[in-house]
Amino acid sequence: TQLLEQSPQFLSIQEGENLTVYCNSSSVFSSLQWYRQEPGEGPVLLVTVVTGGEVKKLKRLTFQFGDARKDSSLHITAAQPGDTGLYLCAGARGNEKLTFGTGTRLTIIP
Amino acid sequence: DAGVTQSPTHLIKTRGQHVTLRCSPISGHKSVSWYQQVLGQGPQFIFQYYEKEERGRGNFPDRFSARQFPNYSSELNVNALLLGDSALYLCASRTGTQETQYFGPGTRLLVL
Repeated sequence: TQLLEQSPQFLSIQEGENLTVYCNSSSVFSSLQWYRQEPGEGPVLLVTVVTGGEVKKLKRLTFQFGDARKDSSLHITAAQPGDTGLYLCAGARGNEKLTFGTGTRLTIIP
Repeated sequence: DAGVTQSPTHLIKTRGQHVTLRCSPISGHKSVSWYQQVLGQGPQFIFQYYEKEERGRGNFPDRFSARQFPNYSSELNVNALLLGDSALYLCASRTGTQETQYFGPGTRLLVL
């Protein structure tokens, strides 16, 4: 059973465009983490959100945690080729395992 | 500060063999978790250890085992390797009180 669904699964856009990736669940998480992963490497942490409704910004990336702490979104403004990669959301409930989403493979075309 | 380190980086084994993967957490982190990532999928949880005790186990067969040492480093052992065990094995550490996990570069295992 996949608890976290990400959409879209694949996204290919032109440099300079904006995009949003969604991470949805029917379960409540105490925190949600976003990672970016390059091929053959480990996931690199981008942000952790813990409060319902929380918005965090990391340069051109904006992360939002849903009010009910069941969903999250990642918005990228003016995408650049360096943003290319696999974006993973992962939910945590206390000190238990991370449950990962299905992933969004993003390609930015120069 | 050094991040999570894993060894080896790559490994090729044949079916039926045994493999040991190693992980050193970030200094000060007391919890280590292991994940398996098959090509094209998100990581799947295998084990979590905290203060040398197993705190969680994913849906993996008994061929998979792990342990954590007094210095908080960890080993993942897989016996009787199958072709389907080919994957990127990721180790993640966290402080033990916070939920954020930091991942190592992974060990890519290929079973022939």
